[in-house]
Amino acid sequence: QSALTQPASVSGSPGQSITISCTGTSSDVGSYNLVSWYQQHPGKAPKLMIYEGSKRPSGVSNRFSGSKSGNTASLTISGLQAEDEADYYCCSYAGSSTYVVFGGGTKLTVL
Amino acid sequence: EVQLVQSGAEVKKPGESLKISCKGSGYSFTSYWIGWVRQMPGKGLEWMGIIYPGDSDTRYSPSFQGQVTISADKSISTAYLQWSSLKASDTAMYYCARHLSGSLFDPWGQGTLVTVSS
Repeated sequence: QSALTQPASVSGSPGQSITISCTGTSSDVGSYNLVSWYQQHPGKAPKLMIYEGSKRPSGVSNRFSGSKSGNTASLTISGLQAEDEADYYCCSYAGSSTYVVFGGGTKLTVL
Repeated sequence: EVQLVQSGAEVKKPGESLKISCKGSGYSFTSYWIGWVRQMPGKGLEWMGIIYPGDSDTRYSPSFQGQVTISADKSISTAYLQWSSLKASDTAMYYCARHLSGSLFDPWGQGTLVTVSS
């Protein structure tokens, strides 16, 4: 069982918006604004999409946005495109003992 | 361009030892932590540990402490992940990634597939 809880799958049609949740605890997501989101296409390495909760690295589309409320972080993808179909993982800093925890991953299907 | 290039796929037998590598380029290798992440077949990402090549300070996930050893040779900008006695359950893809802060890993290496089978 992963430390952070994500839905196993979400789906949406092209042009729609979807949101993926990532629920942790007061020891990780709730304590730090240090949640990242990674996109992984089949057979490829993960790619950083969001860091520090809501910041986008250079080159990442502004259709991707992140937010947090309490112990739950969220990734929203607007204007869904076929190329967005992938697995998405959240990741949070969890203090100096545990350090980093990942979510179990969410498979996004673009219908 | 910041890049991490990992060593090639490995096929090993249970009980054998193994050391895989991750070579950094395009940045000051000694100034950033390098992390290792496991992905078992069809499963999610698991953080294993990180190393600071500048002084070899290392942190392990409690799940992997004692199971693997993370090291680095700063003279050749390379980090390593090694096992002394592999098990079938070590079969997985292993990724290295530059750790910038908190949960921020970027970029990632291309991955090294380790297969352990008798």
